[in-house]
Amino acid sequence: EAGVTQSPTHLIKTRGQQVTLRCSPISGHTSVYWYQQALGLGLQFLLWYDEGEERNRGNFPPRFSGRQFPNYSSELNVNALELEDSALYLCASSPSGTGVKYGYTFGSGTRLTVV
Amino acid sequence: GNSVTQMEGPVTLSEEAFLTINCTYTATGYPSLFWYVQYPGEGLQLLLKATKADDKGSNKGFEATYRKETTSFHLEKGSVQVSDSAVYFCALRDSGGFKTIFGAGTRLFVKA
Repeated sequence: EAGVTQSPTHLIKTRGQQVTLRCSPISGHTSVYWYQQALGLGLQFLLWYDEGEERNRGNFPPRFSGRQFPNYSSELNVNALELEDSALYLCASSPSGTGVKYGYTFGSGTRLTVV
Repeated sequence: GNSVTQMEGPVTLSEEAFLTINCTYTATGYPSLFWYVQYPGEGLQLLLKATKADDKGSNKGFEATYRKETTSFHLEKGSVQVSDSAVYFCALRDSGGFKTIFGAGTRLFVKA
C-alpha cells in the first residue's frame, strides 16, 4: 500500500512569489491535514480537508489556502511568500474526518526555502 | 483551549538505558492521546496511541499509559538503542476529532 506522498520534496522560492504543494493521501483516507514545521519548532496546524470541504483552519493568514479534489488529493497554496514561511510542510491523512481514535499517517514533507 | 506539554530536550542516553519522556495535557471531554516519532529527514510516524483512560499503548518496546487523574501520557522504553535516536512528539486529538494538537517535541540522542 502506498503511503502519503508529497511533492515536490524541496523547493526554493523568492520572497513575494507563490507556491503550490501537493499531497496524495493513503487510498481510502478521506481527510487530509496540513501542518507547518518551522526549524526547531513544533507542528502548527494549517488546514483540514474532508470530503472536498475545508473543515477547520489554523491561525494563519488568508494567503495560506488550499483545496481537496474528488480523489481526495490536496493542494496547499501560499501567496506572497515571506522569509518566515521557510519550513517543512507536512501533509497527513486519516480514514475518517472526525474519528477521534484515528492517528494520522504523514508524508515525508516538502521543504520550502524562501530567499 | 486544549494543549500538550512535553519535557524539553535534548535527552542524551547511553545504549540500553531506561527512557522516560514526560507528557501532560489539558483538554475537555475525552481526547485520544498519541506518540509520534520523527527520524531525521522524514515525516512523523505514529508510534502508539491510547483512546481512553487507563489504556496502555505499546509498540516496538515503547509504552505509554493514559492517566486521566494526572492528565499524563508519559513515554517509556526499558532499553534504548542507537536507532531510537529521533524526535518524539506527544499529541492529543480532541473529542470532536477536529484536529490533532502536538507538543513541541523532545529530541533523543542515544550513544553507543
